[in-house]
Amino acid sequence: GAGVSQSPRYKVAKRGQDVALRCDPISGHVSLFWYQQALGQGPEFLTYFQNEAQLDKSGLPSDRFFAERPEGSVSTLKIQRTQQEDSAVYLCASSLPGQGTYEQYFGPGTRLTVT
Amino acid sequence: GENVEQHPSTLSVQEGDSAVIKCTYSDSASNYFPWYKQELGKGPQLIIDIRSNVGEKKDQRIAVTLNKTAKHFSLHITETQPEDSAVYFCAAKIGRSYIPTFGRGTSLIVHP
Repeated sequence: GAGVSQSPRYKVAKRGQDVALRCDPISGHVSLFWYQQALGQGPEFLTYFQNEAQLDKSGLPSDRFFAERPEGSVSTLKIQRTQQEDSAVYLCASSLPGQGTYEQYFGPGTRLTVT
Repeated sequence: GENVEQHPSTLSVQEGDSAVIKCTYSDSASNYFPWYKQELGKGPQLIIDIRSNVGEKKDQRIAVTLNKTAKHFSLHITETQPEDSAVYFCAAKIGRSYIPTFGRGTSLIVHP
């Protein structure tokens, strides 16, 4: 079946612009995660949804970052007034907890470059 | 929170050799330890995982060992092949949390 998809795959934004990154999780997956991956680093947690509820947003670096998942499926990560330090790959992952597994399925990521 | 250290950052081996990547974690409440492989331009993909009630797990050429007392776990790849070349990440997850903490990654290069 289809895996996690993300769009766009690449995004170039000028500093100060707003961007919206989309994640389509695997159908039926309850949990959805957003991560930020800087060059040469591991994924850093941003936020976590269970269905439409945002249960943890402790990793969002500032109030310029906002995520939503209004119908419990597709999610959007929005970054307002982008800064150069926001340049990174943004990864989305989904999982189906409750079946004795914590496996997360990652999308290919969106590479954001802020100029 | 949890802190995961991963070594080495780069590992270069000849095809057919074994490769070992080591991670340590800080929180004794961690109970789930996945390993991910990330190829260029792709998202991480789970290759093997282990839970805290198991000391070792093997899947063909890949094995993971866990030492809870020392709070470290390792990935072992035997008979390496060029297609094993990628960045490998370890991670640790605390208790009932769904959120793993990742190491910084190891770039494995397998020379033909």
